[in-house]
Amino acid sequence: SQQGEEDPQALSIQEGENATMNCSYKTSINNLQWYRQNSGRGLVHLILIRSNEREKHSGRLRVTLDTSKKSSSLLITASRAADTASYFCATVGTGANNLFFGTGTRLTVIP
Amino acid sequence: GAGVSQSPSNKVTEKGKDVELRCDPISGHTALYWYRQSLGQGLEFLIYFQGNSAPDKSGLPSDRFSAERTGGSVSTLTIQRTQQEDSAVYLCASSKTSGRAVDTQYFGPGTRLTVL
Repeated sequence: SQQGEEDPQALSIQEGENATMNCSYKTSINNLQWYRQNSGRGLVHLILIRSNEREKHSGRLRVTLDTSKKSSSLLITASRAADTASYFCATVGTGANNLFFGTGTRLTVIP
Repeated sequence: GAGVSQSPSNKVTEKGKDVELRCDPISGHTALYWYRQSLGQGLEFLIYFQGNSAPDKSGLPSDRFSAERTGGSVSTLTIQRTQQEDSAVYLCASSKTSGRAVDTQYFGPGTRLTVL
């Protein structure tokens, strides 16, 4: 299965702290994407990192990709209560047509 | 349109009935995807449409599930003879993808299906 796995499954931090979520996958990829989901409904795309990239930034988000270890991490700096949500990594396999989603990390930021 | 829309937002049905879920993708997006998310789980890929090509149906869990996309725009996911295990949130997404590499997907708000 190409499905990614996030670690940890749940994370609870204080507002202002940094949150780090990890994702591991099993096959070669074209790109890896991180999504956020509030209240079990629609997902919002956060960031896409291609297989030839190692790090990418977007605002308070930093994503790293290590293709040799088949892993990625999402760092949210200076967390806010509004960051409380589930975060999913999704991989696009080489030659694949669709995303394979991980099981998600539930982040709770305590005000 | 401003984003991907789905209807209905909630659907409650009795076991054995057929249901149709609708997705309106973002105008101009050639790729359309259907996913299913059971309570507390990740997303499960169901089906993928790309332009006028034959759809990738590899994720459909059984022959009770089917989908079509008319005119390269609106899509309908049909579940026949619904079962309780079909209860989930059904999410639709579209993207600009015109090649093999999957680009950013834009998701609709989903349809929460409950089969009693």
